[in-house]
Amino acid sequence: QLQLQESGPGLVKPSETLSLTCTVSGGSMSSSSYYWGWIRQPPGKGLEWIGSIYYSGSTYYNPSLKSRVTISVDTSKNQFSLKLSSVTAADTAVYYCARHLSVVGAPTHFDYWGQGTLVTVSS
Amino acid sequence: DIQMTQSPSTLSASVGDRVTITCRASQSISTWLAWYQQKPGKAPKLLIYKASSLKSGVPSRFSGSGSGTEFTLTINSLQPDDFATYYCQQYNTLWTFGQGTKVEIK
Repeated sequence: QLQLQESGPGLVKPSETLSLTCTVSGGSMSSSSYYWGWIRQPPGKGLEWIGSIYYSGSTYYNPSLKSRVTISVDTSKNQFSLKLSSVTAADTAVYYCARHLSVVGAPTHFDYWGQGTLVTVSS
Repeated sequence: DIQMTQSPSTLSASVGDRVTITCRASQSISTWLAWYQQKPGKAPKLLIYKASSLKSGVPSRFSGSGSGTEFTLTINSLQPDDFATYYCQQYNTLWTFGQGTKVEIK
């Protein structure tokens, strides 16, 4: 059974960089059948897609966050990571990692999700 | 950017009711639409993909329909476990979620 687990600091200071890692178990990230993504949800609000990555390293980013986001992959560790720079209180959210199914080479819906991790931006 | 608008934002219903949630896209997305269910403190769970394909293991009382810009999620005979928030998501161009519809007990 595929499992995704987010890890990283739960508290980040304003203007600093938020860094999270998603560890995938029960399956290989190197499969051409999947992409891997990050989604966030501010407390009491809806879901926002942040960005996604293929095992080869090709990425898609949300245009509204693109200037601050970097997503990378380490297939040897079966992990992918999120860095969000210059954070403010508006970046406080539960951050989820998830798997996209790839259909004819294009990433589609999210079929497996991690449990999520709350990151608070505060001094 | 493709915007997704769900209605209603909140829906009050009773066990056994038939419930319909609507999702509208700001431009055509063909059938590249998914529906998710989220309960408090939990990650979203995929219910339906490609507008009308039911994920394996999801009860058949859930169904989806639509194409282009208008889509619906229907829950036939609402069960106690179905009280949750539901999100639509387009994946025609990048990924965008609707704002969510909370289904609460009447």
